[in-house]
Amino acid sequence: KQEVTQIPAALSVPEGENLVLNCSFTDSAIYNLQWFRQDPGKGLTSLLLIQSSQREQTSGRLNASLDKSSGRSTLYIAASQPGDSATYLCAVSPILTGGGNKLTFGTGTQLKVEL
Amino acid sequence: DVKVTQSSRYLVKRTGEKVFLECVQDMDHENMFWYRQDPGLGLRLIYFSYDVKMKEKGDIPEGYSVSREKKERFSLILESASTNQTSMYLCASNFLAEETGELFFGEGSRLTVL
Repeated sequence: KQEVTQIPAALSVPEGENLVLNCSFTDSAIYNLQWFRQDPGKGLTSLLLIQSSQREQTSGRLNASLDKSSGRSTLYIAASQPGDSATYLCAVSPILTGGGNKLTFGTGTQLKVEL
Repeated sequence: DVKVTQSSRYLVKRTGEKVFLECVQDMDHENMFWYRQDPGLGLRLIYFSYDVKMKEKGDIPEGYSVSREKKERFSLILESASTNQTSMYLCASNFLAEETGELFFGEGSRLTVL
């Protein structure tokens, strides 16, 4: 059974700092990995999707990498801002076996960027 | 923009009541999902559907049922609500093929059962 772990569970950094969030998974047989952001009391917003054939994806100040063989992904946030404060979750998609695409989620890293 | 709309943001119900949570997506996605999210437990899959009238149990289906009569709409039903079903419920959708598997979520429905 796939297990997804995110460390640290919480992180507090000063504004302007570059930071890395980690995601590890136990079964490397995945099709893709997705990073999400969740603001308090809200749904999840998709940030980046890395397909199994890709090594990384970039969007603005965000860069996500994927190393399937080691079961790891990192989300790099450059020049952090207070507006980046949220919980960040990663999720892995299993090899498709006909119908459905059940993701396994990590429990998230709660990020606080302070002025 | 992709839109997944959950009909109710906040609901308060009494134990034993029947509860309907509605979700509509506008991107012609084949897959639709219902999750619940609880502190310390993360997101857990209740049910999902990959086609009209098709449904499959997720990790925690007990106490829930679902209905998918139209492609764009997926409903979660609590036949007899209980206090342990107090939670945040999240609907999501995506395309069936893994190459376009980006998952989109609604804003969530916060259910309190008294």
